[in-house]
Amino acid sequence: GAGVSQTPSNKVTEKGKYVELRCDPISGHTALYWYRQSLGQGPEFLIYFQGTGAADDSGLPNDRFFAVRPEGSVSTLKIQRTERGDSAVYLCASSTDRGPYEQYFGPGTRLTVT
Amino acid sequence: GENVEQHPSTLSVQEGDSAVIKCTYSDSASNYFPWYKQELGKRPQLIIDIRSNVGEKKDQRIAVTLNKTAKHFSLHITETQPEDSAVYFCAASKEGRRALTFGSGTRLQVQP
Repeated sequence: GAGVSQTPSNKVTEKGKYVELRCDPISGHTALYWYRQSLGQGPEFLIYFQGTGAADDSGLPNDRFFAVRPEGSVSTLKIQRTERGDSAVYLCASSTDRGPYEQYFGPGTRLTVT
Repeated sequence: GENVEQHPSTLSVQEGDSAVIKCTYSDSASNYFPWYKQELGKRPQLIIDIRSNVGEKKDQRIAVTLNKTAKHFSLHITETQPEDSAVYFCAASKEGRRALTFGSGTRLQVQP
């Protein structure tokens, strides 16, 4: 079946601009996760949704980052007033809500802030 | 919070040899340990995982071992092939917290 999809695959924006990154999880997966991966490092957790609600947003670095999942499927990660340090690959993953909660990743969005 | 350390950062082996990657974790409550393979420019792919109620799990040429007492787990790849070349990440999470904490990755190069 179709895996996790993310759009756009690449996004270049100027410092200070607003960006939205989209994630479409595997059909039937109720849990959705956002991670950020900087060059040469492992993914770093940002936020986890169970259904429509954010169950754990402890990884969001500051209040410029926000994510929504209004209908419990597609999610959008929103970054305001982008900074050069936000440049990274933003990865989305999804899983079922039953054990073993295996997380399957999308291809990521490469964000470059100039 | 959880801290996962991974070694080595790079590993080069000859085709057909075995490769071992090791990770240690800090939170004794962690109970789920997946391994991901990431090829250049691609998504991380789940290749094997283990839970804290078992000590070893095998899937063809890949095996993972877990030592809860020492808080470390390892990935073993036997009969390596050039297509095994990639960056491998270990991760850990605990009951009630789905967030995965990843290691820093191991770049495995299999020389033909």
